[in-house]
Amino acid sequence: EPEVTQTPSHQVTQMGQEVILRCVPISNHLYFYWYRQILGQKVEFLVSFYNNEISEKSEIFDDQFSVERPDGSNFTLKIRSTKLEDSAMYFCASSVRLGQGSPWGNSPLHFGNGTRLTVT
Amino acid sequence: DAKTTQPNSMESNEEEPVHLPCNHSTISGTDYIHWYRQLPSQGPEYVIHGLTSNVNNRMASLAIAEDRKSSTLILHRATLRDAAVYYCILRAGTYKYIFGTGTRLKVLA
Repeated sequence: EPEVTQTPSHQVTQMGQEVILRCVPISNHLYFYWYRQILGQKVEFLVSFYNNEISEKSEIFDDQFSVERPDGSNFTLKIRSTKLEDSAMYFCASSVRLGQGSPWGNSPLHFGNGTRLTVT
Repeated sequence: DAKTTQPNSMESNEEEPVHLPCNHSTISGTDYIHWYRQLPSQGPEYVIHGLTSNVNNRMASLAIAEDRKSSTLILHRATLRDAAVYYCILRAGTYKYIFGTGTRLKVLA
């Protein structure tokens, strides 16, 4: 069964550095997401992405964050200047197969196993 | 945004059925009810989803109340590997789902 893959599995960075988290969504999916989970807390929505642009974003997704689909297969999350509070698990997800009819809500999200980001 | 309410935790004995409830009294007519689970140290995993009719798949069954204001995820025979946090989720925007705190299921051997 196709999977969402994320790299690296663990990233350690110093405060103020830029990081890029990488995801390869399921190949025929059209919608892409980033979520994060601070240790011991809820899974939090960051951003959704469709047709090469952001569809929705949360309050967490401020100017320090950006997303990109650079080559039609990868989906990246960039944090420009990391803060200690950015330490978390970051999960990528994808949904909605090419050619699948509406309604949109009838397509589950498929998640990767996450990247653990540690900011020191 | 439509909200869901779930018990914080539940326990079940191994090999017994488990019924995980969810209330979603503000659900709209077109919202699908999704269930995910998160095993320790893993990403959320899709379990099942439905709109109005009861649904079955290899992992679980989903029973949806006639008025759609509640639903129940049914694990027919709980195993130790089913110990996880189970999330009942509705669409919170055009292109997003918001996770709540879920139900932490403990399976006793």
